[in-house]
Amino acid sequence: GESVGLHLPTLSVQEGDNSIINCAYSNSASDYFIWYKQESGKGPQFIIDIRSNMDKRQGQRVTVLLNKTVKHLSLQIAATQPGDSAVYFCAEKESHDMRFGAGTRLTVKP
Amino acid sequence: GAVVSQHPSRVICKSGTSVKIECRSLDFQATTMFWYRQFPKQSLMLMATSNEGSKATYEQGVEKDKFLINHASLTLSTLTVTSAHPEDSSFYICSARNPNRDSAGYGYTFGSGTRLTVV
Repeated sequence: GESVGLHLPTLSVQEGDNSIINCAYSNSASDYFIWYKQESGKGPQFIIDIRSNMDKRQGQRVTVLLNKTVKHLSLQIAATQPGDSAVYFCAEKESHDMRFGAGTRLTVKP
Repeated sequence: GAVVSQHPSRVICKSGTSVKIECRSLDFQATTMFWYRQFPKQSLMLMATSNEGSKATYEQGVEKDKFLINHASLTLSTLTVTSAHPEDSSFYICSARNPNRDSAGYGYTFGSGTRLTVV
């Protein structure tokens, strides 16, 4: 992902708006990607995943887009709610290791 | 669904002492577990991969003599921070991989983390 260890970028959206969170990954050989949500003081929670042979996958209110050409991943959250406020990480699977991108802090304003 | 329990959730220790953190897979057997470290407002950084019955594999820059990992059974891995110092204060998170690869997230399930504060 992005250079691990950098301070988190932030995204602030109005409740009800759509959110788009971006992530650049590093290894072109990664075959599987996951978006996680992390609330303060907790471990990451799985949101949605996508395999490298796909370019889009939809879940409930969430969509992940994968652009392998530029090694870019995005998470779209529809009708963002206050409960969506958290830090979001993309992760790429390299062999059996899961490696995390820098993360984005999403703040939803009422 | 797969559950990973991590204990303790918070610990405060004195500088120079050792602290042990446990990671248990509650409803599946995990031949591989992972330990991450997370500083405030930063991402999770993989420290080491814990393999049941064998030595852990450490990431570059992680001192194996300082962060002792033991994976003695298929459901338990422990991380011991030896001779802890204030700079070791961090949020430590474990992950276990459910070998049922049809599980969401490729079977990776995370513990709830341990907040270590060294004073």
